[in-house]
Amino acid sequence: DQQVKQNSPSLSVQEGRISILNCDYTNSMFDYFLWYKKYPAEGPTFLISISSIKDKNEDGRFTVFLNKSAKHLSLHIVPSQPGDSAVYFCAAKGSNYKLTFGKGTLLTVNP
Amino acid sequence: NAGVTQTPKFQVLKTGQSMTLQCAQDMNHEYMSWYRQDPGMGLRLIHYSVGAGITDQGEVPNGYNVSRSTTEDFPLRLLSAAPSQTSVYFCASSDGQFWGELFFGEGSRLTVL
Repeated sequence: DQQVKQNSPSLSVQEGRISILNCDYTNSMFDYFLWYKKYPAEGPTFLISISSIKDKNEDGRFTVFLNKSAKHLSLHIVPSQPGDSAVYFCAAKGSNYKLTFGKGTLLTVNP
Repeated sequence: NAGVTQTPKFQVLKTGQSMTLQCAQDMNHEYMSWYRQDPGMGLRLIHYSVGAGITDQGEVPNGYNVSRSTTEDFPLRLLSAAPSQTSVYFCASSDGQFWGELFFGEGSRLTVL
């Protein structure tokens, strides 16, 4: 049973426009959410996170929104740049030490 | 600043062979973990450790063993490799305060024939 779902395997946007990546979760015990970015042949790198007590967290061009009632979070990238092209993973932490990842979304930013 | 170092980067095994994937971190992180990444499956947790001498199972532990004798090292052992263990393996570590913010190694690509 997949507890963290990224329903869009891929997303393509034009440079300078907004990229919106979505993530849904089913476990209401998750209390911390994270986004990771992964380039080919490299390990994932941490991008941004949000606690369940907040509904928004911003870091430069990256903003994460959390809607607890809908069990939904999204990552906004504005403006999108070609260097943002990568796989983005949504992850969630529960009461134990396990981090559960979604399957990832491949973002392609076209020049 | 090495961060998380995984060796080897590539390995080909025959079914039934054993091997150990090495992972070392130089950040004095208490938490370490192993993930595998398969096409269309995302990252799945194999085993994790919250400190030296303490390990626990993740989502897909079968066929893998781990130990944590020091803070720095967290090796992953395959006792009898199977084709289903063909995957890319990532080791990750984090500080105890913000353990969800993982630092990953570059990965080890394992092929089992």
